[in-house]
Amino acid sequence: AQSVSQHNHHVILSEAASLELGCNYSYGGTVNLFWYVQYPGQHLQLLLKYFSGDPLVKGIKGFEAEFIKSKFSFNLRKPSVQWSDTAEYFCAVKGSGYSTLTFGKGTMLLVSP
Amino acid sequence: GAVVSQHPSWVICKSGTSVKIECRSLDFQATTMFWYRQFPKQSLMLMATSNEGSKATYEQGVEKDKFLINHASLTLSTLTVTSAHPEDSSFYICSATDRADQPQHFGDGTRLSIL
Repeated sequence: AQSVSQHNHHVILSEAASLELGCNYSYGGTVNLFWYVQYPGQHLQLLLKYFSGDPLVKGIKGFEAEFIKSKFSFNLRKPSVQWSDTAEYFCAVKGSGYSTLTFGKGTMLLVSP
Repeated sequence: GAVVSQHPSWVICKSGTSVKIECRSLDFQATTMFWYRQFPKQSLMLMATSNEGSKATYEQGVEKDKFLINHASLTLSTLTVTSAHPEDSSFYICSATDRADQPQHFGDGTRLSIL
C-alpha cells in the first residue's frame, strides 16, 4: 500500500524567508507525485506535479519540487515566501497509470507580514 | 482550467435523514470521480472511486450501503449519506479526472453537520 508522510504539521515563516516542506512516500512501483495547496475557504488546487523526466519540477507561483528517487522524497521549495502563500499544503502520490491518490496529512503554512 | 462544482457547500440536518451531495465537472468529461472525507486537522481520506456507468469501488471500512454513490453521466456524480447520524458529520470533497494519467480536479467540498 502506498503512503505519504509530511514532516511538519505547522510552519510559521516571515515574509521573504525561504520555504522547504518535506514529503516522503512509500510505493513499490513507478509513481506520480503532486503538491496541492488549499487557501483558506477554497478548494484544493494543483501546485505542481511530477510524472517523469526532469526531477526538478517548477509549478505555479514560484514553487518548485525535487523528486529524489533514492530518498523517496518530493520536497516543496520556494526561495521567498509571501503573506499570500499562507495556506495548507498537501503532498500526494499515486501509482503511474492508476488514478487513486494518497494524501499526506498536510502542512499548515502561516506567513507573517 | 478544469472546474469541478460541488453542491451544497454546507448542509445541516436532523439525525436519521438522508443527504445528497452533487459533484459536477463543468468543462470536461469526468470518466472517474472520487469522494473523500476530511476530518479536522487530518488528511483527505479516500472513500470511493466511481467510473461513469459502473458501480463505485469503496475503500476498506467504508459502508457502501450508507454512502451511496451514483455516477450516471460523464459530468455528474452524487453521494447520498443515508440515515445520517452525528458521527457522519464531516467535510466531504469530490474530485474528478478525465484520464488516469492526469491530475484530479477538486470541488469546494461540502460541510455536513448532523444534529
